[in-house]
Amino acid sequence: AQSVSQHNHHVILSEAASLELGCNYSYGGTVNLFWYVQYPGQHLQLLLKYFSGDPLVKGIKGFEAEFIKSKFSFNLRKPSVQWSDTAEYFCAVSLDSNYQLIWGAGTKLIIKP
Amino acid sequence: GAVVSQHPSWVICKSGTSVKIECRSLDFQATTMFWYRQFPKQSLMLMATSNEGSKATYEQGVEKDKFLINHASLTLSTLTVTSAHPEDSSFYICSAREGVSHEQYFGPGTRLTVT
Repeated sequence: AQSVSQHNHHVILSEAASLELGCNYSYGGTVNLFWYVQYPGQHLQLLLKYFSGDPLVKGIKGFEAEFIKSKFSFNLRKPSVQWSDTAEYFCAVSLDSNYQLIWGAGTKLIIKP
Repeated sequence: GAVVSQHPSWVICKSGTSVKIECRSLDFQATTMFWYRQFPKQSLMLMATSNEGSKATYEQGVEKDKFLINHASLTLSTLTVTSAHPEDSSFYICSAREGVSHEQYFGPGTRLTVT
């Protein structure tokens, strides 16, 4: 069965540190890739998405992610985090044959001011 | 951007009663709507997928007679939790997609507490 794994369940960083959150999926076919963010007390928002084309995608709030097909990965990065980036981040994948999202377990990111 | 609303945002009900949660796409036509459940400190669990005018497709382990889903129009889906029990207390989230897009737009969620 297809699955999505996020390597870190909790990450604590200081402001201005660089961030990389790992996401790997298991599926050999065509996929669509997403990162969603859930700020405390708020609903899920799309950070960025990859459907095709340039494997380096830029999202909102300075986030970017790189799709590496050979590694089945879609890691999320931000060069310099801010306190307001404290949130839970979810990686999700949908298959071209199916509109359902397969979710990672989420990574809780805490930024120390 | 596409907006999805849910109503109510929170509800408290007594054990044995039924609760209806509405999910609306405000500025687009939702080809498909999804219902999720989110437990504390956990990821989303897909409960069911519904296409307008069709019966919902439930995920394994989700009781279709307990969680009734109706998707009567392209902008409205409802989830009714029937004969609610305290273990049904959870955060219920809907999402919607349009056309052939794989992107899902999420509602703000409904916190259900069954006493």
